[in-house]
Amino acid sequence: AQSVTQPDIHITVSEGASLELRCNYSYGATPYLFWYVQSPGQGLQLLLKYFSGDTLVQGIKGFEAEFKRSQSSFNLRKPSVHWSDAAEYFCAVSPLGTYKYIFGTGTRLKVLA
Amino acid sequence: DSGVTQTPKHLITATGQRVTLRCSPRSGDLSVYWYQQSLDQGLQFLIQYYNGEERAKGNILERFSAQQFPDLHSELNLSSLELGDSALYFCASSGTSGANVLTFGAGSRLTVL
Repeated sequence: AQSVTQPDIHITVSEGASLELRCNYSYGATPYLFWYVQSPGQGLQLLLKYFSGDTLVQGIKGFEAEFKRSQSSFNLRKPSVHWSDAAEYFCAVSPLGTYKYIFGTGTRLKVLA
Repeated sequence: DSGVTQTPKHLITATGQRVTLRCSPRSGDLSVYWYQQSLDQGLQFLIQYYNGEERAKGNILERFSAQQFPDLHSELNLSSLELGDSALYFCASSGTSGANVLTFGAGSRLTVL
Protein backbone atom coordinates (compact mmCIF):
# COMPACT_ATOMS: atom_id res chain seq x y z
CA ALA A 1 0.00 0.00 0.00
CA GLN A 2 1.10 3.53 -0.64
CA SER A 3 2.34 5.35 2.43
CA VAL A 4 4.35 8.33 3.55
CA THR A 5 6.50 8.30 6.67
CA GLN A 6 7.74 11.34 8.50
CA PRO A 7 9.74 9.77 11.32
CA ASP A 8 10.17 12.94 13.36
CA ILE A 9 7.01 14.11 15.10
CA HIS A 10 8.69 17.11 16.73
CA ILE A 11 11.92 18.91 15.91
CA THR A 12 13.42 21.84 17.79
CA VAL A 13 16.18 23.97 16.30
CA SER A 14 17.75 27.28 17.20
CA GLU A 15 17.18 30.26 14.98
CA GLY A 16 19.92 30.42 12.37
CA ALA A 17 20.61 26.70 12.51
CA SER A 18 20.19 24.40 9.56
CA LEU A 19 17.16 22.15 9.23
CA GLU A 20 16.41 18.82 7.63
CA LEU A 21 12.99 17.19 7.81
CA ARG A 22 12.79 13.60 6.70
CA CYS A 23 10.24 12.00 4.43
CA ASN A 24 10.13 8.47 3.08
CA TYR A 25 7.48 7.06 0.82
CA SER A 26 6.36 3.65 -0.27
CA TYR A 27 5.05 3.41 -3.78
CA GLY A 28 5.60 1.15 -6.76
CA ALA A 29 6.73 3.92 -9.09
CA THR A 30 8.01 7.43 -8.59
CA PRO A 31 5.03 9.52 -7.56
CA TYR A 32 4.70 13.25 -7.53
CA LEU A 33 6.16 14.57 -4.27
CA PHE A 34 5.23 17.64 -2.26
CA TRP A 35 6.03 19.51 0.90
CA TYR A 36 3.37 21.65 2.51
CA VAL A 37 3.55 23.88 5.58
CA GLN A 38 0.70 24.55 7.98
CA SER A 39 0.95 27.53 10.30
CA PRO A 40 -1.41 27.74 13.29
CA GLY A 41 -4.91 28.59 12.14
CA GLN A 42 -3.89 28.47 8.51
CA GLY A 43 -4.41 26.09 5.67
CA LEU A 44 -1.67 24.14 3.97
CA GLN A 45 0.68 26.14 1.82
CA LEU A 46 2.75 24.49 -0.90
CA LEU A 47 6.49 24.86 -0.29
CA LEU A 48 7.76 22.87 -3.26
CA LYS A 49 7.04 19.95 -5.54
CA TYR A 50 8.90 17.34 -7.52
CA PHE A 51 7.52 15.80 -10.67
CA SER A 52 10.60 14.84 -12.65
CA GLY A 53 14.00 16.10 -13.76
CA ASP A 54 16.51 17.72 -11.42
CA THR A 55 16.34 15.90 -8.12
CA LEU A 56 17.12 19.03 -6.10
CA VAL A 57 14.13 21.34 -6.12
CA GLN A 58 13.91 24.85 -4.81
CA GLY A 59 10.82 26.16 -3.10
CA ILE A 60 9.51 29.23 -1.42
CA LYS A 61 10.83 30.75 1.80
CA GLY A 62 14.35 29.44 1.15
CA PHE A 63 13.43 25.75 1.37
CA GLU A 64 14.78 23.02 -0.88
CA ALA A 65 14.24 19.29 -1.09
CA GLU A 66 16.17 16.45 -2.63
CA PHE A 67 14.59 13.41 -4.21
CA LYS A 68 16.60 10.22 -3.77
CA ARG A 69 15.07 7.36 -5.69
CA SER A 70 17.32 4.71 -4.19
CA GLN A 71 16.21 5.69 -0.69
CA SER A 72 12.59 6.54 -1.56
CA SER A 73 13.16 9.79 0.26
CA PHE A 74 12.28 13.43 -0.28
CA ASN A 75 13.88 15.35 2.58
CA LEU A 76 13.25 19.03 3.14
CA ARG A 77 16.13 21.34 4.01
CA LYS A 78 16.79 24.93 4.91
CA PRO A 79 20.27 26.30 5.59
CA SER A 80 19.24 28.88 8.19
CA VAL A 81 15.95 28.71 10.04
CA HIS A 82 13.97 31.81 10.98
CA TRP A 83 11.59 32.08 13.93
CA SER A 84 8.72 32.46 11.46
CA ASP A 85 9.42 28.94 10.15
CA ALA A 86 7.85 27.44 13.27
CA ALA A 87 4.93 25.43 11.91
CA GLU A 88 3.91 21.92 10.99
CA TYR A 89 5.35 20.43 7.82
CA PHE A 90 3.70 17.74 5.76
CA CYS A 91 5.19 15.58 3.07
CA ALA A 92 2.75 14.23 0.51
CA VAL A 93 2.79 11.94 -2.49
CA SER A 94 0.41 11.76 -5.38
CA PRO A 95 0.39 8.77 -7.72
CA LEU A 96 1.00 9.80 -11.30
CA GLY A 97 -2.10 11.07 -13.01
CA THR A 98 -4.18 11.49 -9.88
CA TYR A 99 -4.85 14.23 -7.38
CA LYS A 100 -5.29 11.83 -4.51
CA TYR A 101 -2.66 13.03 -2.10
CA ILE A 102 -1.35 10.77 0.62
CA PHE A 103 0.02 12.80 3.48
CA GLY A 104 2.56 11.97 6.11
CA THR A 105 1.71 12.52 9.76
CA GLY A 106 3.58 15.80 9.86
CA THR A 107 6.60 17.20 11.69
CA ARG A 108 6.07 20.05 14.10
CA LEU A 109 8.98 22.47 14.05
CA LYS A 110 9.81 24.63 17.03
CA VAL A 111 12.37 27.42 16.65
CA LEU A 112 14.27 28.70 19.66
CA ALA A 113 15.29 32.35 19.72
CA ASP B 1 -4.92 34.33 1.13
CA SER B 2 -4.88 31.18 -0.99
CA GLY B 3 -8.01 32.09 -2.93
CA VAL B 4 -9.90 29.06 -1.58
CA THR B 5 -12.60 30.21 0.81
CA GLN B 6 -14.12 28.01 3.46
CA THR B 7 -17.00 28.79 5.79
CA PRO B 8 -17.59 28.60 8.65
CA LYS B 9 -14.14 28.78 10.25
CA HIS B 10 -15.39 27.25 13.47
CA LEU B 11 -18.47 25.22 14.26
CA ILE B 12 -19.59 23.66 17.53
CA THR B 13 -22.50 21.28 17.54
CA ALA B 14 -23.92 18.29 19.38
CA THR B 15 -23.88 14.60 18.62
CA GLY B 16 -26.60 13.50 16.26
CA GLN B 17 -26.78 16.85 14.51
CA ARG B 18 -26.13 17.71 10.87
CA VAL B 19 -23.84 20.44 9.55
CA THR B 20 -22.86 21.81 6.16
CA LEU B 21 -19.41 23.10 5.31
CA ARG B 22 -18.98 25.33 2.32
CA CYS B 23 -16.06 25.86 -0.03
CA SER B 24 -15.45 28.27 -2.88
CA PRO B 25 -12.51 27.26 -5.06
CA ARG B 26 -9.88 29.52 -6.57
CA SER B 27 -11.17 31.46 -9.53
CA GLY B 28 -10.86 29.26 -12.60
CA ASP B 29 -10.30 25.98 -10.73
CA LEU B 30 -12.77 23.28 -11.72
CA SER B 31 -11.82 20.63 -9.17
CA VAL B 32 -12.62 20.64 -5.48
CA TYR B 33 -11.32 18.22 -2.89
CA TRP B 34 -12.26 17.62 0.71
CA TYR B 35 -9.82 16.43 3.35
CA GLN B 36 -10.28 15.65 7.02
CA GLN B 37 -7.50 16.35 9.51
CA SER B 38 -7.84 14.68 12.88
CA LEU B 39 -5.36 13.93 15.62
CA ASP B 40 -5.62 10.16 15.27
CA GLN B 41 -6.02 9.83 11.50
CA GLY B 42 -3.95 12.72 10.21
CA LEU B 43 -4.89 14.19 6.84
CA GLN B 44 -7.30 11.94 4.98
CA PHE B 45 -8.70 12.42 1.49
CA LEU B 46 -12.48 12.33 1.49
CA ILE B 47 -13.79 13.13 -1.96
CA GLN B 48 -13.09 14.97 -5.21
CA TYR B 49 -15.43 16.77 -7.59
CA TYR B 50 -14.64 18.04 -11.05
CA ASN B 51 -16.98 20.50 -12.71
CA GLY B 52 -19.96 19.22 -10.80
CA GLU B 53 -19.27 15.52 -11.05
CA GLU B 54 -17.80 13.19 -8.45
CA ARG B 55 -14.36 12.03 -9.60
CA ALA B 56 -12.79 10.15 -6.74
CA LYS B 57 -13.75 8.89 -3.33
CA GLY B 58 -11.52 8.27 -0.38
CA ASN B 59 -12.24 7.46 3.22
CA ILE B 60 -15.59 9.20 3.34
CA LEU B 61 -18.19 7.83 5.71
CA GLU B 62 -21.70 7.07 4.48
CA ARG B 63 -22.99 9.70 6.91
CA PHE B 64 -21.04 12.29 4.90
CA SER B 65 -21.94 13.56 1.47
CA ALA B 66 -20.75 16.31 -0.82
CA GLN B 67 -21.73 18.08 -3.97
CA GLN B 68 -20.40 20.69 -6.33
CA PHE B 69 -22.77 23.26 -7.73
CA PRO B 70 -22.88 24.89 -11.19
CA ASP B 71 -21.03 27.93 -9.83
CA LEU B 72 -18.31 25.43 -8.73
CA HIS B 73 -18.67 25.97 -5.01
CA SER B 74 -18.90 22.79 -3.00
CA GLU B 75 -20.63 21.71 0.17
CA LEU B 76 -19.72 18.89 2.52
CA ASN B 77 -22.66 17.61 4.53
CA LEU B 78 -21.99 15.75 7.75
CA SER B 79 -24.92 14.06 9.44
CA SER B 80 -25.61 11.99 12.56
CA LEU B 81 -22.49 13.53 13.99
CA GLU B 82 -20.37 11.62 16.46
CA LEU B 83 -17.67 12.81 18.82
CA GLY B 84 -15.07 11.28 16.53
CA ASP B 85 -16.11 13.56 13.68
CA SER B 86 -14.49 16.47 15.47
CA ALA B 87 -11.72 17.55 13.12
CA LEU B 88 -10.43 20.20 10.80
CA TYR B 89 -12.01 19.88 7.37
CA PHE B 90 -10.02 21.28 4.48
CA CYS B 91 -11.17 22.10 1.03
CA ALA B 92 -8.67 22.34 -1.80
CA SER B 93 -8.96 23.20 -5.45
CA SER B 94 -6.83 22.59 -8.49
CA GLY B 95 -6.49 23.66 -12.07
CA THR B 96 -4.90 27.06 -12.34
CA SER B 97 -1.88 26.38 -10.11
CA GLY B 98 -0.46 23.78 -12.41
CA ALA B 99 -0.80 20.06 -12.86
CA ASN B 100 -1.34 18.03 -9.72
CA VAL B 101 -1.03 21.01 -7.41
CA LEU B 102 -3.67 21.51 -4.75
CA THR B 103 -4.38 24.89 -3.20
CA PHE B 104 -5.89 24.57 0.26
CA GLY B 105 -8.30 26.75 2.15
CA ALA B 106 -7.84 27.66 5.80
CA GLY B 107 -10.17 24.93 6.97
CA SER B 108 -13.35 24.59 8.99
CA ARG B 109 -12.87 23.37 12.53
CA LEU B 110 -15.77 21.20 13.67
CA THR B 111 -16.23 20.37 17.32
CA VAL B 112 -18.87 17.83 18.24
CA LEU B 113 -19.88 17.83 21.91
